[in-house]
Amino acid sequence: GNSVTQMEGPVTLSEEAFLTINCTYTATGYPSLFWYVQYPGEGLQLLLKATKADDKGSNKGFEATYRKETTSFHLEKGSVQVSDSAVYFCALTQGGGATNKLIFGTGTLLAVQP
Amino acid sequence: GAGVSQTPSNKVTEKGKYVELRCDPISGHTALYWYRQSLGQGPEFLIYFQGTGAADDSGLPNDRFFAVRPEGSVSTLKIQRTERGDSAVYLCASSLPGSGSVNEQFFGPGTRLTVL
Repeated sequence: GNSVTQMEGPVTLSEEAFLTINCTYTATGYPSLFWYVQYPGEGLQLLLKATKADDKGSNKGFEATYRKETTSFHLEKGSVQVSDSAVYFCALTQGGGATNKLIFGTGTLLAVQP
Repeated sequence: GAGVSQTPSNKVTEKGKYVELRCDPISGHTALYWYRQSLGQGPEFLIYFQGTGAADDSGLPNDRFFAVRPEGSVSTLKIQRTERGDSAVYLCASSLPGSGSVNEQFFGPGTRLTVL
Protein backbone atom coordinates (compact mmCIF):
# COMPACT_ATOMS: atom_id res chain seq x y z
CA GLY A 1 0.00 0.00 0.00
CA ASN A 2 0.88 3.66 -0.11
CA SER A 3 3.20 4.97 2.60
CA VAL A 4 5.46 7.83 3.58
CA THR A 5 8.76 7.59 5.46
CA GLN A 6 10.42 10.65 6.90
CA MET A 7 13.51 11.16 8.96
CA GLU A 8 13.13 10.88 12.67
CA GLY A 9 13.60 13.86 14.89
CA PRO A 10 14.11 15.86 16.78
CA VAL A 11 16.24 18.00 14.52
CA THR A 12 17.99 20.76 16.46
CA LEU A 13 19.58 23.63 14.56
CA SER A 14 20.97 27.05 15.26
CA GLU A 15 19.32 30.07 13.69
CA GLU A 16 20.39 30.66 10.07
CA ALA A 17 21.48 27.04 9.60
CA PHE A 18 20.52 25.03 6.52
CA LEU A 19 17.65 22.59 6.93
CA THR A 20 16.93 19.30 5.20
CA ILE A 21 14.19 16.92 6.29
CA ASN A 22 14.16 13.76 4.22
CA CYS A 23 10.96 12.20 2.94
CA THR A 24 10.51 9.16 0.71
CA TYR A 25 7.29 7.56 -0.42
CA THR A 26 5.81 4.37 -1.79
CA ALA A 27 2.78 4.73 -4.03
CA THR A 28 1.10 3.33 -7.09
CA GLY A 29 0.37 5.65 -9.95
CA TYR A 30 1.04 9.35 -9.69
CA PRO A 31 0.55 10.71 -6.19
CA SER A 32 0.53 14.34 -5.17
CA LEU A 33 2.99 15.23 -2.42
CA PHE A 34 2.67 17.66 0.47
CA TRP A 35 4.46 19.11 3.44
CA TYR A 36 2.24 20.12 6.37
CA VAL A 37 3.44 22.01 9.42
CA GLN A 38 2.09 22.06 12.96
CA TYR A 39 3.27 25.00 15.05
CA PRO A 40 3.05 24.70 18.85
CA GLY A 41 -0.57 24.98 19.96
CA GLU A 42 -1.91 25.28 16.42
CA GLY A 43 -3.58 23.02 13.87
CA LEU A 44 -2.02 21.45 10.81
CA GLN A 45 -1.35 23.86 7.96
CA LEU A 46 -0.34 23.16 4.39
CA LEU A 47 3.20 24.41 3.81
CA LEU A 48 3.73 23.43 0.17
CA LYS A 49 2.75 20.87 -2.41
CA ALA A 50 3.75 19.36 -5.76
CA THR A 51 1.37 17.47 -7.99
CA LYS A 52 3.64 15.96 -10.65
CA ALA A 53 7.19 14.79 -11.17
CA ASP A 54 9.89 17.51 -11.20
CA ASP A 55 7.49 20.10 -9.77
CA LYS A 56 8.96 22.26 -7.04
CA GLY A 57 6.72 23.45 -4.24
CA SER A 58 7.80 26.51 -2.29
CA ASN A 59 6.50 28.72 0.50
CA LYS A 60 7.97 30.88 3.29
CA GLY A 61 11.51 30.09 2.12
CA PHE A 62 10.91 26.33 2.20
CA GLU A 63 11.24 24.22 -0.96
CA ALA A 64 10.72 20.61 -1.96
CA THR A 65 11.09 18.95 -5.37
CA TYR A 66 9.03 15.95 -6.47
CA ARG A 67 11.61 13.34 -7.54
CA LYS A 68 9.95 10.35 -9.13
CA GLU A 69 13.20 8.55 -9.87
CA THR A 70 14.16 8.48 -6.19
CA THR A 71 10.57 8.59 -4.85
CA SER A 72 11.55 11.50 -2.64
CA PHE A 73 10.22 14.91 -1.59
CA HIS A 74 12.86 16.33 0.75
CA LEU A 75 12.10 19.62 2.52
CA GLU A 76 14.82 22.30 2.50
CA LYS A 77 15.31 25.81 3.77
CA GLY A 78 18.47 27.83 3.38
CA SER A 79 18.33 29.75 6.66
CA VAL A 80 16.01 28.69 9.47
CA GLN A 81 14.55 31.00 12.08
CA VAL A 82 13.41 30.37 15.63
CA SER A 83 9.85 30.84 14.39
CA ASP A 84 10.26 27.77 12.14
CA SER A 85 10.27 25.52 15.23
CA ALA A 86 7.40 23.11 14.65
CA VAL A 87 6.53 19.54 13.65
CA TYR A 88 6.74 18.90 9.90
CA PHE A 89 4.74 16.16 8.20
CA CYS A 90 5.32 14.77 4.73
CA ALA A 91 2.16 13.39 3.10
CA LEU A 92 0.72 12.09 -0.15
CA THR A 93 -2.62 11.61 -1.82
CA GLN A 94 -3.36 9.19 -4.59
CA GLY A 95 -5.46 11.70 -6.53
CA GLY A 96 -6.90 10.85 -9.92
CA GLY A 97 -10.51 10.75 -8.82
CA ALA A 98 -9.88 8.84 -5.62
CA THR A 99 -10.81 10.22 -2.22
CA ASN A 100 -7.71 12.39 -1.89
CA LYS A 101 -7.24 11.11 1.62
CA LEU A 102 -3.87 12.13 2.98
CA ILE A 103 -1.32 9.53 4.03
CA PHE A 104 1.13 11.06 6.48
CA GLY A 105 4.60 10.28 7.70
CA THR A 106 5.27 10.19 11.42
CA GLY A 107 6.42 13.81 11.60
CA THR A 108 9.76 15.46 12.34
CA LEU A 109 10.16 17.89 15.22
CA LEU A 110 12.37 20.86 14.35
CA ALA A 111 13.79 22.96 17.16
CA VAL A 112 15.67 26.11 16.15
CA GLN A 113 17.81 27.74 18.81
CA PRO A 114 18.75 31.44 18.80
CA GLY B 1 -13.35 33.93 7.24
CA ALA B 2 -14.01 31.17 9.75
CA GLY B 3 -11.92 28.07 9.55
CA VAL B 4 -12.78 24.51 10.50
CA SER B 5 -13.99 24.29 14.06
CA GLN B 6 -14.20 21.24 16.31
CA THR B 7 -15.93 20.72 19.61
CA PRO B 8 -15.15 19.91 22.29
CA SER B 9 -11.46 20.76 22.32
CA ASN B 10 -10.90 18.20 25.06
CA LYS B 11 -12.96 15.22 26.11
CA VAL B 12 -12.23 12.92 29.02
CA THR B 13 -14.38 9.84 29.36
CA GLU B 14 -14.36 6.48 31.06
CA LYS B 15 -13.81 3.16 29.37
CA GLY B 16 -17.03 1.81 27.96
CA LYS B 17 -18.75 5.17 27.53
CA TYR B 18 -20.13 6.69 24.33
CA VAL B 19 -18.72 9.93 22.89
CA GLU B 20 -19.59 12.29 20.07
CA LEU B 21 -17.12 14.65 18.43
CA ARG B 22 -18.34 17.49 16.24
CA CYS B 23 -16.82 19.15 13.19
CA ASP B 24 -17.97 22.38 11.51
CA PRO B 25 -16.30 22.65 8.10
CA ILE B 26 -15.58 25.79 6.14
CA SER B 27 -18.73 27.06 4.46
CA GLY B 28 -19.03 25.74 0.92
CA HIS B 29 -16.60 22.86 1.42
CA THR B 30 -18.41 19.73 0.34
CA ALA B 31 -15.54 17.36 1.12
CA LEU B 32 -14.96 16.49 4.77
CA TYR B 33 -12.36 14.16 6.30
CA TRP B 34 -11.78 12.69 9.74
CA TYR B 35 -8.29 11.66 10.87
CA ARG B 36 -6.91 10.30 14.13
CA GLN B 37 -3.49 11.28 15.47
CA SER B 38 -1.93 9.19 18.21
CA LEU B 39 0.94 10.54 20.27
CA GLY B 40 4.15 10.77 18.25
CA GLN B 41 2.48 9.69 15.02
CA GLY B 42 1.14 11.33 11.91
CA PRO B 43 -2.60 11.63 11.37
CA GLU B 44 -4.32 8.49 10.06
CA PHE B 45 -7.33 8.64 7.78
CA LEU B 46 -10.66 7.47 9.16
CA ILE B 47 -13.49 8.50 6.83
CA TYR B 48 -14.30 10.83 3.94
CA PHE B 49 -17.62 12.49 3.10
CA GLN B 50 -18.56 14.03 -0.19
CA GLY B 51 -21.74 15.91 0.63
CA THR B 52 -23.95 13.82 2.89
CA GLY B 53 -22.61 10.42 1.97
CA ALA B 54 -19.59 8.58 3.30
CA ALA B 55 -17.62 8.00 0.11
CA ASP B 56 -14.78 6.17 1.82
CA ASP B 57 -14.92 4.72 5.33
CA SER B 58 -12.02 2.32 4.88
CA GLY B 59 -10.03 3.88 7.73
CA LEU B 60 -12.56 3.28 10.48
CA PRO B 61 -10.83 0.78 12.80
CA ASN B 62 -13.93 -1.22 13.76
CA ASP B 63 -17.69 -1.05 14.08
CA ARG B 64 -17.54 0.98 17.30
CA PHE B 65 -16.72 4.00 15.14
CA PHE B 66 -19.38 5.71 13.07
CA ALA B 67 -19.73 9.14 11.48
CA VAL B 68 -22.61 11.09 10.00
CA ARG B 69 -23.10 14.27 8.02
CA PRO B 70 -26.87 14.47 7.57
CA GLU B 71 -27.14 17.87 5.90
CA GLY B 72 -23.82 17.96 4.12
CA SER B 73 -22.24 20.43 6.50
CA VAL B 74 -21.63 19.59 10.18
CA SER B 75 -20.29 16.10 10.84
CA THR B 76 -20.32 14.04 14.02
CA LEU B 77 -17.89 11.21 14.77
CA LYS B 78 -19.41 8.73 17.20
CA ILE B 79 -17.47 6.20 19.23
CA GLN B 80 -19.29 3.50 21.17
CA ARG B 81 -17.92 1.50 24.11
CA THR B 82 -14.73 3.54 24.19
CA GLU B 83 -11.44 1.81 24.94
CA ARG B 84 -8.19 3.22 26.31
CA GLY B 85 -6.62 2.68 22.88
CA ASP B 86 -9.06 5.19 21.41
CA SER B 87 -7.23 7.99 23.21
CA ALA B 88 -5.88 10.32 20.54
CA VAL B 89 -6.42 13.67 18.87
CA TYR B 90 -9.25 13.49 16.36
CA LEU B 91 -8.80 15.89 13.47
CA CYS B 92 -11.34 17.10 10.97
CA ALA B 93 -10.47 18.66 7.61
CA SER B 94 -12.55 20.11 4.80
CA SER B 95 -11.89 21.02 1.21
CA LEU B 96 -13.55 21.91 -2.05
CA PRO B 97 -14.59 18.87 -4.10
CA GLY B 98 -11.56 16.81 -5.02
CA SER B 99 -12.58 14.92 -8.09
CA GLY B 100 -10.16 15.44 -10.93
CA SER B 101 -7.92 17.74 -8.89
CA VAL B 102 -6.20 18.01 -5.57
CA ASN B 103 -7.61 20.68 -3.33
CA GLU B 104 -6.04 21.81 -0.11
CA GLN B 105 -7.47 20.26 3.02
CA PHE B 106 -7.96 22.76 5.83
CA PHE B 107 -7.63 21.25 9.28
CA GLY B 108 -9.43 22.07 12.49
CA PRO B 109 -7.63 22.32 15.85
CA GLY B 110 -8.69 18.81 16.83
CA THR B 111 -10.44 17.18 19.76
CA ARG B 112 -8.18 15.52 22.29
CA LEU B 113 -9.96 12.40 23.55
CA THR B 114 -8.74 10.71 26.70
CA VAL B 115 -10.28 7.41 27.76
CA LEU B 116 -9.54 6.54 31.38
